[in-house]
Amino acid sequence: TQLLEQSPQFLSIQEGENLTVYCNSSSVFSSLQWYRQEPGEGPVLLVTVVTGGEVKKLKRLTFQFGDARKDSSLHITAAQPGDTGLYLCAGEDSNYQLIWGAGTKLIIKP
Amino acid sequence: NAGVTQTPKFRVLKTGQSMTLLCAQDMNHEYMYWYRQDPGMGLRLIHYSVGEGTTAKGEVPDGYNVSRLKKQNFLLGLESAAPSQTSVYFCASSYTHRGTEAFFGQGTRLTVV
Repeated sequence: TQLLEQSPQFLSIQEGENLTVYCNSSSVFSSLQWYRQEPGEGPVLLVTVVTGGEVKKLKRLTFQFGDARKDSSLHITAAQPGDTGLYLCAGEDSNYQLIWGAGTKLIIKP
Repeated sequence: NAGVTQTPKFRVLKTGQSMTLLCAQDMNHEYMYWYRQDPGMGLRLIHYSVGEGTTAKGEVPDGYNVSRLKKQNFLLGLESAAPSQTSVYFCASSYTHRGTEAFFGQGTRLTVV
């Protein structure tokens, strides 16, 4: 069974601080997606990374795919209350299925 | 744009009752999925469909059935609800499997008492 482990499970920080969340596996993925989910809503795609070592930026969010395509990180610079949510990573396996992490619940306090 | 619409949004069932969750998408996507989301466990795939008239089992299919009679609709059925099926259910669709974005509905919160 392939697993994607996300850490930390929960993070509460002050507005303006920086943070990094991690998504780790022992399996290789064809691609990896990051989603954000707000309460009462479904997940919404933030980014897809495909190439080992790839870095993508979305305003204050920086996503990196590990060189071996087994892990990924999401770094947020100068976090804002609007960044609050559940961040989920999902890796695409060799059968084209998405394997989901359990998520990181992020709270940014004003 | 409607995107992916799920009905109902909330439901309470008694053990042993049956119900059907409806998912409709207006993006002409081939692939559709049913997930359940439980605290600390992420999204788990129940069943999926790669096109009209097709269905396949996911990670946790027991106790559920699905049908895809029309391309835009994907139904999830619970024949005899159990408390272990208390969860939030999400429907999603995508153009293809491979690395493409999955669009999610708003979810159905189901409680089985």
